[in-house]
Amino acid sequence: GNSVTQMEGPVTLSEEAFLTINCTYTATGYPSLFWYVQYPGEGLQLLLKATKADDKGSNKGFEATYRKETTSFHLEKGSVQVSDSAVYFCALSDPDSGAGSYQLTFGKGTKLSVIP
Amino acid sequence: ETGVTQTPRHLVMGMTNKKSLKCEQHLGHNAMYWYKQSAKKPLELMFVYSLEERVENNSVPSRFSPECPNSSHLFLHLHTLQPEDSALYLCASSQDGKPYSTGETQYFGPGTRLLVL
Repeated sequence: GNSVTQMEGPVTLSEEAFLTINCTYTATGYPSLFWYVQYPGEGLQLLLKATKADDKGSNKGFEATYRKETTSFHLEKGSVQVSDSAVYFCALSDPDSGAGSYQLTFGKGTKLSVIP
Repeated sequence: ETGVTQTPRHLVMGMTNKKSLKCEQHLGHNAMYWYKQSAKKPLELMFVYSLEERVENNSVPSRFSPECPNSSHLFLHLHTLQPEDSALYLCASSQDGKPYSTGETQYFGPGTRLLVL
């Protein structure tokens, strides 16, 4: 079956530090990959996505590249801000799994805290 | 700003109570979802509706009963819940929800924080 593994948190960084949150996946077919972010007290919001190998998703200074050879989709940001403090979820949808785009498989989430 | 709203935002209920969670999407989408988010566990997909028909039910206990009267509204009826059902319940929607489409984004509501005593 499909699965997503992301680094355990919490991650605490100082403002302007470089951020990497690792994400690797297992899928039966050729999945689309997503990063969602959940700010305190809110639901999940799509941060970025990539639908095929070597695609780079980017948004709000965050980037992630779909690496088929290493089955990875690591999230990076060059300079984090306090406002980036949130929980980040890596996810995939695999149309070959039989559940189509219905089934988003999520990682457990990584909590990021950015201190001034 | 989210186009998916959920009410109530917080709910405390006893194990013998009956309550309902409501979700409404203002995005013109055709598919809606219920997820359960528990501490230190991945999000669990509970139910999927596409064009108001249930298409996915991931072995959810019968004490959870979904209802989708139209493509904009989704309910989750709760009865005789257990303390382990305490969690954040998230609603989401997507444009088509067709099987075998790829890369479709799901838009989430803020969730209902449920506590079962």
